[in-house]
Amino acid sequence: DTGVSQNPRHKITKRGQNVTFRCDPISEHNRLYWYRQTLGQGPEFLTYFQNEAQLEKSRLLSDRFSAERPKGSFSTLEIQRTEQGDSAMYLCASSFGLTSYNEQFFGPGTRLTVL
Amino acid sequence: AQTVTQSQPEMSVQEAETVTLSCTYDTSESDYYLFWYKQPPSRQMILVIRQEAYKQQNATENRFSVNFQKAAKSFSLKISDSQLGDAAMYFCAYTGNSGGSNYKLTFGKGTLLTVNP
Repeated sequence: DTGVSQNPRHKITKRGQNVTFRCDPISEHNRLYWYRQTLGQGPEFLTYFQNEAQLEKSRLLSDRFSAERPKGSFSTLEIQRTEQGDSAMYLCASSFGLTSYNEQFFGPGTRLTVL
Repeated sequence: AQTVTQSQPEMSVQEAETVTLSCTYDTSESDYYLFWYKQPPSRQMILVIRQEAYKQQNATENRFSVNFQKAAKSFSLKISDSQLGDAAMYFCAYTGNSGGSNYKLTFGKGTLLTVNP
């Protein structure tokens, strides 16, 4: 297993278009997280899954954002009607276990540019 | 809400020297964990070191160690014998072990470390 993978690595879209990102976590990791990182800032939590259940969503996640993790494996993050303010790096992470102490392994991210 | 503050946007160190990166946090929780993550240029973020708040002993991982001062809510990272490969953005992060901050990481803004040969 080579770690957390994310696709695409880069996405350029026009304002108003829908985009979907995919995250493949490390096998057997039961937790999956999405973060957003803008230039000069640390990552900000968006949402997380335990297996297939989405257990928490940040207030940063507006109604235009939706995330899924069918069957507790890969996850998708969809942004509808993109806005320029959505331009950011979207990071996915996964972890194994039931405590907050477990290491989160991060993917390389998907960089979104909204024109 | 929990906050993490890194007051040094940039730091530089000579190769083989020691550097300390600062981090303070604010929380009302008594049980939590603290982390330092490293994000090399165009590379993915990796865990450097972590600390359980209930442990008084400072964590150490090879050349990396922390100075955890719970009362002061301070969590600094010391890098000894700095190497060129240590150059990266370093993020301090917090997660609680109960309540609303459980599992999710709250990050500081990061410190960009430059290592000079």
